[in-house]
Amino acid sequence: DAGVTQSPTHLIKTRGQQVTLRCSPISGHKSVSWYQQVLGQGPQFIFQYYEKEERGRGNFPDRFSARQFPNYSSELNVNALLLGDSALYLCASSFINRGGLKRTEAFFGQGTRLTVV
Amino acid sequence: GEDVEQSLFLSVREGDSSVINCTYTDSSSTYLYWYKQEPGAGLQLLTYIFSNMDMKQDQRLTVLLNKKDKHLSLRIADTQTGDSAIYFCAEGPRGYQKVTFGTGTKLQVIP
Repeated sequence: DAGVTQSPTHLIKTRGQQVTLRCSPISGHKSVSWYQQVLGQGPQFIFQYYEKEERGRGNFPDRFSARQFPNYSSELNVNALLLGDSALYLCASSFINRGGLKRTEAFFGQGTRLTVV
Repeated sequence: GEDVEQSLFLSVREGDSSVINCTYTDSSSTYLYWYKQEPGAGLQLLTYIFSNMDMKQDQRLTVLLNKKDKHLSLRIADTQTGDSAIYFCAEGPRGYQKVTFGTGTKLQVIP
């Protein structure tokens, strides 16, 4: 079975540009979350989406936005890139059933390494 | 607020046991996790423990939870060179992924 897949794996952007990162969850998983991992630190929560609705947001500026599609894949958008946005962006998916009683742990993708120059 | 703290570095000899420690602050956490991250890779969930448990063992891994002191530890028995990685302690409710991670402990295994 395919795990969580993210694209692209690496990306170099210039300050002020916009970037879109993509994530495909494990088949059957309807919950997708995004994390930012700056070098030398632990991942920081950015967003969670479940059933195409935003269910949680971390302490990130409005330059960060995301959405989830009907097939449960997700995109993370970052506008007006800053040098400090350089990081590994991780996507995680998990299964949550309709009643919320059955849940799995989060499975992470390999990440997209974004470098802003 | 939520905060997870870990020591930054641990060095052990191959074959010895490794113990990685973590403290957390959120007493409402449902699950406590240990993730492994190898260089240039994503996160691999190693194990997790429910907050009403004291201990969980899974092959070479033993997790101990002291709820009173909000202290979590991961013991790796018979540590191998392939165990060299960064280990993250994390807390949060299972399935809902607002998981709070520590800064990670880099484990170096000396042959």
